[in-house]
Amino acid sequence: LAKTTQPISMDSYEGQEVNITCSHNNIATNDYITWYQQFPSQGPRFIIQGYKTKVTNEVASLFIPADRKSSTLSLPRVSLSDTAVYYCLVGDGAGGYNKLIFGAGTRLAVHP
Amino acid sequence: NAGVMQNPRHLVRRRGQEARLRCSPMKGHSHVYWYRQLPEEGLKFMVYLQKENIIDESGMPKERFSAEFPKEGPSILRIQQVVRGDSAAYFCASSPGTGDEKLFFGSGTQLSVL
Repeated sequence: LAKTTQPISMDSYEGQEVNITCSHNNIATNDYITWYQQFPSQGPRFIIQGYKTKVTNEVASLFIPADRKSSTLSLPRVSLSDTAVYYCLVGDGAGGYNKLIFGAGTRLAVHP
Repeated sequence: NAGVMQNPRHLVRRRGQEARLRCSPMKGHSHVYWYRQLPEEGLKFMVYLQKENIIDESGMPKERFSAEFPKEGPSILRIQQVVRGDSAAYFCASSPGTGDEKLFFGSGTQLSVL
């Protein structure tokens, strides 16, 4: 599975847009890019997944350039409740399953 | 539609005792994953199971740890003769196994070894 690199921590303020970039230089052709959010004492929660270009849902947007060696999770107008750890993962579900490899993630702190 | 259910939420054991962690996947999901998380760290993959089969246990310690997912009932992660280093949060995740790559996680079991 491709290794990912993302910032250890980020700070923002309520109402701002937050962009978290993840590098995955060794991403394989079949790999998807998935982002999870984790609050303290809870399991990770799926946010968004994409393969190329741009994906948007009710929570976030995911931007993936043509070379797919990086991706950017965009959280519009963050609130205090968006304070969490965000994980970027890549995997292809080879063999019909997806052994997700979590890195340390990015700790986002949203301030009033 | 209930999510992934893990119990107990907190488990306290003394060194040398056994710990049993249970995980009921989401309805319709036949694939279960177990992860371990130490404080301030990311989740570490332990094992992947389908009903009655262990598919990938490459992240499981070779001794004292075992996992099962019987035809009926929840998946069980068993830790024998626990040591203080086993203290961690253990998360279970499930997926439908249809090629959809999203995993749905439970709230975890916090194991504390005294």
